[in-house]
Amino acid sequence: RKEVEQDPGPFNVPEGATVAFNCTYSNSASQSFFWYRQDCRKEPKLLMSVYSSGNEDGRFTAQLNRASQYISLLIRDSKLSDSATYLCVVKGSGNTGKLIFGQGTTLQVKP
Amino acid sequence: DGGITQSPKYLFRKEGQNVTLSCEQNLNHDAMYWYRQDPGQGLRLIYYSQIVNDFQKGDIAEGYSVSREKKESFPLTVTSAQKNPTAFYLCASGRTGQGAAGYTFGSGTRLTVV
Repeated sequence: RKEVEQDPGPFNVPEGATVAFNCTYSNSASQSFFWYRQDCRKEPKLLMSVYSSGNEDGRFTAQLNRASQYISLLIRDSKLSDSATYLCVVKGSGNTGKLIFGQGTTLQVKP
Repeated sequence: DGGITQSPKYLFRKEGQNVTLSCEQNLNHDAMYWYRQDPGQGLRLIYYSQIVNDFQKGDIAEGYSVSREKKESFPLTVTSAQKNPTAFYLCASGRTGQGAAGYTFGSGTRLTVV
């Protein structure tokens, strides 16, 4: 079983739609959680951290369920510019700082 | 501006050659990481270093070597022992310790075997 699992998609949605991505992780001792965005042939960039109480940044909402070891990202009012691959990322326990990346979920927003 | 710089952006390697990818950061981060990404795949950890003069193997270290002689620099050598080196290589840096935030990535090096 992979340490971080995501549905690779692609998710094809019209502009203005709401879309949700899910991610599960296997290590219950994981401490920190992130969503990264990666555009085609570019490096990943931090989109947002994920906090236990859930957090929102504009049109983006991240949720964490530690009991189910499940992370989600909700994008409201999708824009064409949201088209990218979204990587679910988990930081393991301890002080190594290693981040473990999911395969990524590809989103295509259509006009 | 602080950041992390990878060079070259594109690199072509002949069979049997060793090549070295450069990664430099001026973010004063203790930890640096090398990842490999293949088309349609996630990032796989090659090597990482949390402190100068120390580094650890990641999940796919075979055929690669690194050094960490300076805090700012973490070069990766792709040796001839790496049988399938064509990939997108990403260097990242970050803080260590509890509550550390995510990494900052360089813009990557695309390596192609010719």
